Amino acid sequence: EPEVTQTPSHQVTQMGQEVILRCVPISNHLYFYWYRQILGQKVEFLVSFYNNEISEKSEIFDDQFSVERPDGSNFTLKIRSTKLEDSAMYFCASRETDAGGSPLHFGNGTRLTVT
Amino acid sequence: KNQVEQSPQSLIILEGKNCTLQCNYTVSPFSNLRWYKQDTGRGPVSLTIMTFSENTKSNGRYTATLDADTKQSSLHITASQLSDSASYICVVTHQGGSYIPTFGRGTSLIVHP
Repeated sequence: EPEVTQTPSHQVTQMGQEVILRCVPISNHLYFYWYRQILGQKVEFLVSFYNNEISEKSEIFDDQFSVERPDGSNFTLKIRSTKLEDSAMYFCASRETDAGGSPLHFGNGTRLTVT
Repeated sequence: KNQVEQSPQSLIILEGKNCTLQCNYTVSPFSNLRWYKQDTGRGPVSLTIMTFSENTKSNGRYTATLDADTKQSSLHITASQLSDSASYICVVTHQGGSYIPTFGRGTSLIVHP
C-alpha cells in the first residue's frame, strides 16, 4: 500500500539554525499538509497546500515557516531560525481529494530537537 | 470555537478485556468524525469514519458509535490485544471551507498481558 514517507526520522539542530523537513506524499494525492505534535500534546495543524500554493495556515505557521513543492514528488517544510519551542514531531500528510470523507494519510514523522 | 474533547486521558487494561473511549465535540456544522490510532513514534492511521447518518460502524475488533444529536462518539475495543496499546485520536471535520479537521488530545491505551 502506498505511504507517505518523511526524512529524516530525527533531526537535531542548534537554536537559530535553519532546518528543512522533507516529505514524499502518496503519488496520486493532491492535497498536502504539515502537522506538529509537541511531546504529550495533541496533533496541531500547521499548513495545507494545494496546486502549488498555501490553502490555509494556522497561527503557529508564522514567518519563520515556509513550505515548498520543489518538484513533482517532494513537499518540504522549512524553519528559518529554529527556537527551542519548535522541538516536536512534525508530520506530513496527504489526501487524495479535499472532500470531508477523504482520509489524511500521515507519514511517520520527523522528530525535531532544537538545542 | 470548534473543539474535540476525549476521555479518559489514559487507560490501562488487561489483555482480552474490552474498553470504550469517549469523544465529545462542538464542531459545527458537522461533516464527519474519524478515529485514528497512533502507535508510539508513528503517524496516526485511520481506523474508521462516521458521517452524520451513521450510528455504528465496525472495523474488526473496533466499533465506533456516533450520536450526532448529543455530539458524542465512542470507540469500543473488543478482546484487547497487546498491539492495541496506542493513542486513539478523535478527529472531527466541519462542513464547508477548507475541511481542516479538529483533533482531540487522544486517549492513551496501555494493554498489559
